[in-house]
Amino acid sequence: EAGVAQSPRYKIIEKRQSVAFWCNPISGHATLYWYQQILGQGPKLLIQFQNNGVVDDSQLPKDRFSAERLKGVDSTLKIQPAKLEDSAVYLCASSLGLAGDSDTQYFGPGTRLTVL
Amino acid sequence: SQKIEQNSEALNIQEGKTATLTCNYTNYSPAYLQWYRQDPGRGPVFLLLIRENEKEKRKERLKVTFDTTLKQSLFHITASQPADSATYLCALTGSARQLTFGSGTQLTVLP
Repeated sequence: EAGVAQSPRYKIIEKRQSVAFWCNPISGHATLYWYQQILGQGPKLLIQFQNNGVVDDSQLPKDRFSAERLKGVDSTLKIQPAKLEDSAVYLCASSLGLAGDSDTQYFGPGTRLTVL
Repeated sequence: SQKIEQNSEALNIQEGKTATLTCNYTNYSPAYLQWYRQDPGRGPVFLLLIRENEKEKRKERLKVTFDTTLKQSLFHITASQPADSATYLCALTGSARQLTFGSGTQLTVLP
């Protein structure tokens, strides 16, 4: 079974530029998550989709970050404009979307963003 | 505010010994707690889940305990091997099923 795919794996941009990340979840997974992981910290949830609807985006800095999941499969996360503090690994995860505690999240390898 | 603390940033142990990692939390009432492993350059991988009404859970060489009175979980790796070297993350899940992660403990098992 193919895992969660993310691209690009690395991105270097200058502050105030824009960047987009792409995620392809595991086939059949209804729920998709984007996390931000700053060096030395655990992942922090930015946004959660159930199919193509947003479940939780309370920690997404909406003035500069946006995400969409058209057709309920692939997703893109965009930052515009980027700030130095956005330097982090952006992780995508997916799960079947089951009720209860058996809904295991599977993570992709992440995109490492460096903002200069 | 909610806070999750993992005992130390780094833990070194000798091969064959038992590694014990700690996860403490405050201002939180998790429905269950999960442990993940993260290798450099990779995303976290799920290891074990323990529910609030469970005291202990085992899987092969792994054991997790959960004390909701102390607000603490302990994660044990018995007969540790160099291949167990990684960062281990605890994550709490509330009623909305969103995960809140600790900052992780980097474990190094020395041969």
